[in-house]
Amino acid sequence: SQQGEEDPQALSIQEGENATMNCSYKTSINNLQWYRQNSGRGLVHLILIRSNEREKHSGRLRVTLDTSKKSSSLLITASRAADTASYFCATDGFSNTGKLIFGQGTTLQVKP
Amino acid sequence: GAVVSQHPSWVICKSGTSVKIECRSLDFQATTMFWYRQFPKQSLMLMATSNEGSKATYEQGVEKDKFLINHASLTLSTLTVTSAHPEDSSFYICSASPSGGYRWDEQFFGPGTRLTVL
Repeated sequence: SQQGEEDPQALSIQEGENATMNCSYKTSINNLQWYRQNSGRGLVHLILIRSNEREKHSGRLRVTLDTSKKSSSLLITASRAADTASYFCATDGFSNTGKLIFGQGTTLQVKP
Repeated sequence: GAVVSQHPSWVICKSGTSVKIECRSLDFQATTMFWYRQFPKQSLMLMATSNEGSKATYEQGVEKDKFLINHASLTLSTLTVTSAHPEDSSFYICSASPSGGYRWDEQFFGPGTRLTVL
């Protein structure tokens, strides 16, 4: 399988705390994306980071990318109960076909 | 942003029947659509790439005669699960790209279809 690993698989925190999720992948990439999925729903695109970028911010989200370690992290600051969802990273496997390779995902629970 | 819809959002069928799932791009033309399958508490696995006007490209291990894909127009792709069995029960998600897949950061996901085969 080309899918990477995400860690942790599950994370439970209190509202207001920060949540950090990690993603590792196996191939070279052009870009890496993070998505959120609420239970039983489709995917919401959160952020894209290109292979020549090391860090990117979007609101309360901070994404880092270390291509030498083939890993990325997603930090959600000041979490809210509404952030409760599963989070997936996805890479393109260094192709231009549009195919995405998803990580296993991290299930985040934010307790009010 | 661009909107992709799926219909139905959920379906329950008897074993042996066929089920058709539609994926529509509502406000853009999609030259490429992708079909993913997601088992409970698991990640998304790409099943096939659907290009308008040509045959779909299936990923290794996906039976093309079982999962029929038709992308007859620039706004509609359909996935037909033929002779469905309980092991086909899953969440099926499509995504659509307005740029032939090259600018894959412009890929938009549908809300998914929950298939339950009894």
